Amino acid sequence: GESVGLHLPTLSVQEGDNSIINCAYSNSASDYFIWYKQESGKGPQFIIDIRSNMDKRQGQRVTVLLNKTVKHLSLQIAATQPGDSAVYFCAERFFGNEKLTFGTGTRLTIIP
Amino acid sequence: DVKVTQSSRYLVKRTGEKVFLECVQDMDHENMFWYRQDPGLGLRLIYFSYDVKMKEKGDIPEGYSVSREKKERFSLILESASTNQTSMYLCASRSPGQEPYEQYFGPGTRLTVT
Repeated sequence: GESVGLHLPTLSVQEGDNSIINCAYSNSASDYFIWYKQESGKGPQFIIDIRSNMDKRQGQRVTVLLNKTVKHLSLQIAATQPGDSAVYFCAERFFGNEKLTFGTGTRLTIIP
Repeated sequence: DVKVTQSSRYLVKRTGEKVFLECVQDMDHENMFWYRQDPGLGLRLIYFSYDVKMKEKGDIPEGYSVSREKKERFSLILESASTNQTSMYLCASRSPGQEPYEQYFGPGTRLTVT
């Protein structure tokens, strides 16, 4: 999962396995959450979002789960591929705000 | 496709120099953002602009200023660069009220201050 500090949490997963990346968010007033993927040398790219009135949302090979009780967000990637290797960030938006607050990121490495 | 471009991918400057980082977006977005990215600290918002000539401080504005004279261009200025401003700088843009809430990012500028 994500944490504050100088070290980037890492997760190594065998190709073809499922991966789960966790994130603890900070504000119970946040109403919207996003996962971003950042590949080496590129800016972050949107993967999937979820509103606070939902518990789960599915995309193509990705699922986001939201647990508001413990302020926890997770990103599940099914059948991981080498192209999934990247740093993944969660981000939260406070209600009515145009700004996002980002987590510290998790580096996912897919082992061939 | 939305395109956000940043003027330089890599930049090396000396302590005390004035540094300009330029960002241009081609989708007529009202909102533009400057972040810095450091390992283990994620993306931290420096400044935000919600329209031409409008700006708002983010979480870490100290040592930085911004300029938004045209809608498509948002500049980050380091008045007197210091070594602790060595970082990756990311620009983003979006239209307010658009769903999904997605900020579109440029590729980043890696700035080294020596």
